[in-house]
Amino acid sequence: EVQLVESGGGLVQPGRSLKLSCLASGFTFSNYGMNWIRQAPGKGLEWVASISSSSSYIYYADTVKGRFTISRDNAKNTLYLQMTSLRSEDTALYYCARRNYGSYVDWGQGVMVTVSS
Amino acid sequence: DIQMTQSPPVLSASVGDRVTINCKASQNINKNLDWYQQKHGEAPKLLIYYTNNLQTGIPSRFSGSGSGTDYTLTISSLQPEDVATYYCYQYNSGWTFGGGTKLELK
Repeated sequence: EVQLVESGGGLVQPGRSLKLSCLASGFTFSNYGMNWIRQAPGKGLEWVASISSSSSYIYYADTVKGRFTISRDNAKNTLYLQMTSLRSEDTALYYCARRNYGSYVDWGQGVMVTVSS
Repeated sequence: DIQMTQSPPVLSASVGDRVTINCKASQNINKNLDWYQQKHGEAPKLLIYYTNNLQTGIPSRFSGSGSGTDYTLTISSLQPEDVATYYCYQYNSGWTFGGGTKLELK
């Protein structure tokens, strides 16, 4: 059974940093691209960042480019999202998702990030 | 950037109804489109990939169609457990979700 378990969320002040993790199990992590997708309270889904299986290809939404860094450790089956210079508009539930070709076949339950003073 | 416009934003239907949700892309996305279902308080779930391919385990009452810029998700006979918000998603150029369609029971 595929499991994706996010952690590292919480309440953080504007301008500060936070690092999210997503521990994967039930599949060969190093074979799949991974993504972060977020959902602001009461809003729709927003793609945030994508990383290929070997970290060769990395992409970011314009809204987070230059502030967020996606990375992965295939030896630890873990995906990361380093978030810096956080803003109130980054407040959201952050999901990690396993990608098969273009589609998100598995999702975690999400981790909440609240940016507020 | 490609914009994805879903309609309607809210849909009220009765059990047994045939339901159609539309998604229009701002440019040709070459059928590189998925549909996701998100029930209240849950993570999204892949329903349909590459326009018309049913994900494993998804009931056959769900189907997808379309080409070019216009795509449709159809539920042939609405069931109570289908109450959810539905999102289209394109991955032809960049990655963009539609704004969502909230499906309610009448």
